[in-house]
Amino acid sequence: ETGVTQSPTHLIKTRGQQVTLRCSSQSGHNTVSWYQQALGQGPQFIFQYYREEENGRGNFPPRFSGLQFPNYSSELNVNALELDDSALYLCASSSWGGSNEKLFFGSGTQLSVL
Amino acid sequence: AQTVTQSQPEMSVQEAETVTLSCTYDTSENNYYLFWYKQPPSRQMILVIRQEAYKQQNATENRFSVNFQKAAKSFSLKISDSQLGDTAMYFCAFMKFFGQKLVFGQGTRLTINP
Repeated sequence: ETGVTQSPTHLIKTRGQQVTLRCSSQSGHNTVSWYQQALGQGPQFIFQYYREEENGRGNFPPRFSGLQFPNYSSELNVNALELDDSALYLCASSSWGGSNEKLFFGSGTQLSVL
Repeated sequence: AQTVTQSQPEMSVQEAETVTLSCTYDTSENNYYLFWYKQPPSRQMILVIRQEAYKQQNATENRFSVNFQKAAKSFSLKISDSQLGDTAMYFCAFMKFFGQKLVFGQGTRLTINP
């Protein structure tokens, strides 16, 4: 167990709706990253948050947004859901300033958009 | 931009055999990390082994070892004495030094047969 927890584990939404996914990072970690993993693919980096600010973003549109809270937990928000947003969403926490390459992943949220 | 390629979509071996998973990558960076992650049906991404590019010595972790060829940009994973619990998706991944994101390959589905 990594200490990174994600909720919910599964979610079904319809096209055009909005969704919020949550992640609690491992104790002592101040950085959270989000990844999207489509079926049969490797994860793709969405963005990273450090000290409550976005600290890097992948090739995702603005309707993907996030928040990081003072306790370093995080949310991923997706507006105007599209069918292609159906995927496993993984959260990873790490300790910036230490070895940022030591990422600890949660078990993900499986999002289905109908 | 970095890319990671895994050319073996699926592999299958008998329990106790040795198996090698292939990975190639492309980067103009000189300092970086390479990783192998395991993703079992539980979906959690589990770090198997890590290699720092500046180290010539290949990393080993118990039954897992890598063959890192920097000039060839090759990073293969060898699993010795394979066990049923090794059955999973395996992802090769790249991260720049002080980078924010992992770049993943497409994955190799490994099945260990009894």
